Amino acid sequence: DTAVSQTPKYLVTQMGNDKSIKCEQNLGHDTMYWYKQDSKKFLKIMFSYNNKELIINETVPNRFSPKSPDKAHLNLHINSLELGDSAVYFCASSQGIRRTSGNTIYFGEGSWLTVV
Amino acid sequence: QQPVQSPQAVILREGEDAVINCSSSKALYSVHWYRQKHGEAPVFLMILLKGGEQMRHEKISASFNEKKQQSSLYLTASQLSYSGTYFCGTAQGGSEKLVFGKGTKLTVNP
Repeated sequence: DTAVSQTPKYLVTQMGNDKSIKCEQNLGHDTMYWYKQDSKKFLKIMFSYNNKELIINETVPNRFSPKSPDKAHLNLHINSLELGDSAVYFCASSQGIRRTSGNTIYFGEGSWLTVV
Repeated sequence: QQPVQSPQAVILREGEDAVINCSSSKALYSVHWYRQKHGEAPVFLMILLKGGEQMRHEKISASFNEKKQQSSLYLTASQLSYSGTYFCGTAQGGSEKLVFGKGTKLTVNP
């Protein structure tokens, strides 16, 4: 019944490894996002897809690659993990992209990534 | 451009009131308020749109002053469950991107 679900919830991995986080939403939304929250709680957008099309791509290292196989799924693959990648990664979705129309963003429970 | 929230932290006793402010140097089209409890996802509280009305969620209300490019969140008769970090997210100048402030940590003690 979870509206936005992401897996895994916790991930501990070594530097240099490649890992993926999966996200699925069952709200019928057109837009999905990846946000990163660092140790200082700063919540920063990384990517946004609307109907499988990339519409927001913030200044994120190329090691991060999102993939949206369909509008209900948005996965995040991270290559060559670094210590600084340790953070909580939130997947989110909204009905549309227009913030001026009041489209609410719904967040998943987060994936705690620790790189050692 | 990241909105600026103030104060950074507030400590209240149950039943007291608090105000959290969110301001931007750019024209705002909407302001979204979220609350995040420790170890959990941010949860939507309310949204204020340009030209819209003041919103309310239980005993929490918010206003949006378009001319001053700022929003305020009013928590009245605070409850223990109000504890958490409050984030404002702003949509600026035609951009569809929602940019969050650094958050205000609210602690409500018995």
